[in-house]
Amino acid sequence: NAGVTQTPKFQVLKTGQSMTLQCAQDMNHEYMSWYRQDPGMGLRLIHYSVGAGITDQGEVPNGYNVSRSTTEDFPLRLLSAAPSQTSVYFCASSYSPTGEQFFGPGTRLTVL
Amino acid sequence: GEDVEQSLFLSVREGDSSVINCTYTDSSSTYLYWYKQEPGAGLQLLTYIFSNMDMKQDQRLTVLLNKKDKHLSLRIADTQTGDSAIYFCAETLFSGAGSYQLTFGKGTKLSVIP
Repeated sequence: NAGVTQTPKFQVLKTGQSMTLQCAQDMNHEYMSWYRQDPGMGLRLIHYSVGAGITDQGEVPNGYNVSRSTTEDFPLRLLSAAPSQTSVYFCASSYSPTGEQFFGPGTRLTVL
Repeated sequence: GEDVEQSLFLSVREGDSSVINCTYTDSSSTYLYWYKQEPGAGLQLLTYIFSNMDMKQDQRLTVLLNKKDKHLSLRIADTQTGDSAIYFCAETLFSGAGSYQLTFGKGTKLSVIP
């Protein structure tokens, strides 16, 4: 099993550009989440999904869209990048809502 | 909002015990977790405890839970340089939308001095 994979590892964007952060898992997990990690802020939940076709907002959803067309994939879209979205983004999946979350290696995003 | 609180830094000498403390917010949280993040990596689950337990031991790790005070601690015995990392406390909160959200503290950076 590859576990949770994320691409790209690094990305630099200009303000106003859009892009999609990819996340995939091969563990057949229903639950998937996107977090952002900022210095001194810990991890904050952006969006999450409890299964294919079902998504919901987390703590900091503004400026981000998600969709879940398959169990395996959970992409995160930045519609119009802003410097405030400079962060490290982690995708995670779990078998159950209270089970162990498996994290991807992260995507480091810089918005100029 | 609700916050999981942790001290930001802890420094210990190699071979000593480390104790990382956390206070959580929701007395109905059923699961409480400790995650470890090494530099440049994602988080990995270290251990967890059910809310109906007071203590859980797993090799060098001991988790203590005080539900009355909503206090969780992680003790690492015989701390090694490889234990240097950021440790996150997390609780599971019912989101009200039929699911649960994992809420993390800001993390405690453990530095082990050789």
